[in-house]
Amino acid sequence: QVQLQESGPRLVKPSETLSLSCTVSGDSIKNYYWSWIRQPPGKGLEWIGYIFYTGSTTYSPSLRSRVAISLDMSKNQFSLKLSSVTAADTAVYYCAREVPLVEFGVAFDLWGQGTKVTVSS
Amino acid sequence: DIQMTQSPSSLSASVGDRVTITCRASQAISRNLNWYQQKPGKVPDLLISGASSLQSGVPSRFSGSGSGTDFTLTISSLQPEDFATYYCQQSFSTLYTFGQGTKLEIK
Repeated sequence: QVQLQESGPRLVKPSETLSLSCTVSGDSIKNYYWSWIRQPPGKGLEWIGYIFYTGSTTYSPSLRSRVAISLDMSKNQFSLKLSSVTAADTAVYYCAREVPLVEFGVAFDLWGQGTKVTVSS
Repeated sequence: DIQMTQSPSSLSASVGDRVTITCRASQAISRNLNWYQQKPGKVPDLLISGASSLQSGVPSRFSGSGSGTDFTLTISSLQPEDFATYYCQQSFSTLYTFGQGTKLEIK
């Protein structure tokens, strides 16, 4: 059974860098694209970006200047860094697997449990 | 970016009702449209992919339709466990975007 588990600090100070990791168990990280998605308290879902095992990344235009997603093949893990955070970056952060559809794009079929990150001094 | 707009933002309905939620894309996205259900405090769950393909285990009372810019999610007979927030999401562009969500509440 494939599982995703986020880890990282739950509290980050304003202007600092938020860092999270997602460990994939039960499957190789090589087989899929992997995304980060966040959800501010009481609000909707926002896609942050994705990475492929080759290291190829794509980021949301609204966060592109502050985001970096990387991966560690030896740990079967991918990571998120979001710099210069403010209170607006307070959210539950999810890692998710993208599954290619036979037709019509991709979908997020597997999600981590989510980790709430609060930006506060 | 492709903007996704859901309507209504919230909806009150009763058990047994037929409910339809609409999702509109700011440009044509073929059938590259997915629906997710999220219950309070829980992880989003993929319900429908490719506009109309039900995921394994999803009850047949759920259905999706549409192509181009206009899509619908229909629940034919609401059950108590269906009260949740529903999100559409496009993957036509690799800059994925979600709708703002539709909260389905018990009347």
